[in-house]
Amino acid sequence: KQEVTQIPAALSVPEGENLVLNCSFTDSAIYNLQWFRQDPGKGLTSLLLIQSSQREQTSGRLNASLDKSSGRSTLYIAASQPGDSATYLCAVPDFGNEKLTFGTGTRLTIIP
Amino acid sequence: GAVVSQHPSRVICKSGTSVKIECRSLDFQATTMFWYRQFPKQSLMLMATSNEGSKATYEQGVEKDKFLINHASLTLSTLTVTSAHPEDSSFYICSARDWQGGIYTEAFFGQGTRLTVV
Repeated sequence: KQEVTQIPAALSVPEGENLVLNCSFTDSAIYNLQWFRQDPGKGLTSLLLIQSSQREQTSGRLNASLDKSSGRSTLYIAASQPGDSATYLCAVPDFGNEKLTFGTGTRLTIIP
Repeated sequence: GAVVSQHPSRVICKSGTSVKIECRSLDFQATTMFWYRQFPKQSLMLMATSNEGSKATYEQGVEKDKFLINHASLTLSTLTVTSAHPEDSSFYICSARDWQGGIYTEAFFGQGTRLTVV
């Protein structure tokens, strides 16, 4: 059974700093990995989808990397802003690429 | 990205009544929709998977008679919480994915529904 872990569980950094969020998964046979953000009381917003054949994906100030062999992904956020404060979740699909298994989440707070 | 609309965003109902939550994919055809439940400060728990025109597949421990799911079209799935009780109070989120070229596409999520049963 796939298990997804995110470290740290919570992170507070001053505005303007670059930061890295970590995601690890136990079964490396994945089709892709997706990063989401969730604001309090809201649904999930898809940030980046990285396919198993890719090593990284970029969108604006966000960069996600994927190392399947080691079962790890990182989400790099450059020049953090208060609006980046949210909970960040990574998720990987099951063997059939249907159901997603979510990580435990990292609650990020950017201090103005 | 694609848009998934979930309605209502908040609902308060009396114990014993039923509540229906709608999930619509607005700009793509959702072959498969997923319903999740989220408890405070916890990650999402998958409740069931529904494919258009088929019966939903429920996760272990989820009562199918309590949580009725209908996926009548490629753009609409509904979750009905029947005979709701206070312990059903939670945050419910739907997700939709399409099937293209033999693979599932990126997952998109609705805004969530906060259900409070009093």
